Amino acid sequence: GIQVEQSPPDLILQEGANSTLRCNFSDSVNNLQWFHQNPWGQLINLFYIPSGTKQNGRLSATTVATERYSLLYISSSQTTDSGVYFCAVGSPETSGSRLTFGEGTQLTVNP
Amino acid sequence: DAGITQSPRYKITETGRQVTLMCHQTWSHSYMFWYRQDLGHGLRLIYYSAAADITDKGEVPDGYVVSRSKTENFPLTLESATRSQTSVYFCASSETSGISGANVLTFGAGSRLTVL
Repeated sequence: GIQVEQSPPDLILQEGANSTLRCNFSDSVNNLQWFHQNPWGQLINLFYIPSGTKQNGRLSATTVATERYSLLYISSSQTTDSGVYFCAVGSPETSGSRLTFGEGTQLTVNP
Repeated sequence: DAGITQSPRYKITETGRQVTLMCHQTWSHSYMFWYRQDLGHGLRLIYYSAAADITDKGEVPDGYVVSRSKTENFPLTLESATRSQTSVYFCASSETSGISGANVLTFGAGSRLTVL
């Protein structure tokens, strides 16, 4: 099956700093989503982005499907951005409905 | 309440017991999923369902049984619980397949299961 690799595994920032999280995948995808898991365990969808670029406030994401990677940018980080960020992908072979998750990036934002 | 709800939120059971985790969604989403989350493994798909009475195995289905007699419910049963099934279980739903439209996954709050 498709492999998903996220980097870095851990990231510690000071409040106000910017960061870039990366997601590499091993095969063609027709579905790619980014999620944030807060310290209480809740999983929130951030972006549906199988290709192109999207922005939502301080967060933006870019997926270059032909080169098999996606980037999540966090600008002016806040302590509430702490948590685990997951990338998940779906491939055409499974109609894109079955998402395979990476192991996540643990982000800690210190005040 | 609108959304996707899981019950129970916390469960402690013993090896060999049968356990059922419930998942209910109010959006009439076609797709529903069960994932388990363990340290070092991220989220792994157990089973999913494309519609009522249609289910299929995911990455780690052994030891689990699912059913979907109604669109809104997707229970997960551990027929004989083992310690290796201690985990946090997440139910999720989405509206469409990934072929067209936005297959945005929405998660429940999770069910933490401990098998002693």
